[in-house]
Amino acid sequence: NAGVTQTPKFRVLKTGQSMTLLCAQDMNHEYMYWYRQDPGMGLRLIHYSVGEGTTAKGEVPDGYNVSRLKKQNFLLGLESAAPSQTSVYFCASSPPPGHPYGYTFGSGTRLTVV
Amino acid sequence: GENVEQHPSTLSVQEGDSAVIKCTYSDSASNYFPWYKQELGKRPQLIIDIRSNVGEKKDQRIAVTLNKTAKHFSLHITETQPEDSAVYFCAATLKGLTGGGNKLTFGTGTQLKVEL
Repeated sequence: NAGVTQTPKFRVLKTGQSMTLLCAQDMNHEYMYWYRQDPGMGLRLIHYSVGEGTTAKGEVPDGYNVSRLKKQNFLLGLESAAPSQTSVYFCASSPPPGHPYGYTFGSGTRLTVV
Repeated sequence: GENVEQHPSTLSVQEGDSAVIKCTYSDSASNYFPWYKQELGKRPQLIIDIRSNVGEKKDQRIAVTLNKTAKHFSLHITETQPEDSAVYFCAATLKGLTGGGNKLTFGTGTQLKVEL
């Protein structure tokens, strides 16, 4: 039982390049989230999904796209990376309302855009 | 939307002393308040949580209090130890809202340093 797995763990991109971050969970959780963490700003929600085939915008969605084609996977895409997207990205999953609540975080992806 | 403020941003205590971190939230409908501990280079991990129908919850050296009227909640760590050194985040959400995704809004974090 791996929980929530993120790949890659580290990445350096040049401005304008694109990439996809993968989040996979094996807990059969309905809800999945992408957060970014910047110094002094805590964790801010980028996008989230309440089930397979659904996505919704969070607090800071601009410059990112997501897809949830399979229940266990939640992909975060950067179409044209900018230095302002240098951050640590965390994926998380949780069960739906009515279940014992708990967020499980992945180990994070450190992205640097130069 | 929800807004969570957290203070202080840094906290230094002597080993064995107590540490208190405070958070305020804006949405009176929020009903679930977890606290996360994040060690350097690691993922956030849940250490304790409290629901709005409870005023206080304890787990060994850790306690959380909630004042719904004032919309603030606090984390109390007693008999601090060096391994308590980490960044602590408070969060708030409206749990149970179908389709709402139980989105957590996080505070900006408190860097706790426990000195020998």
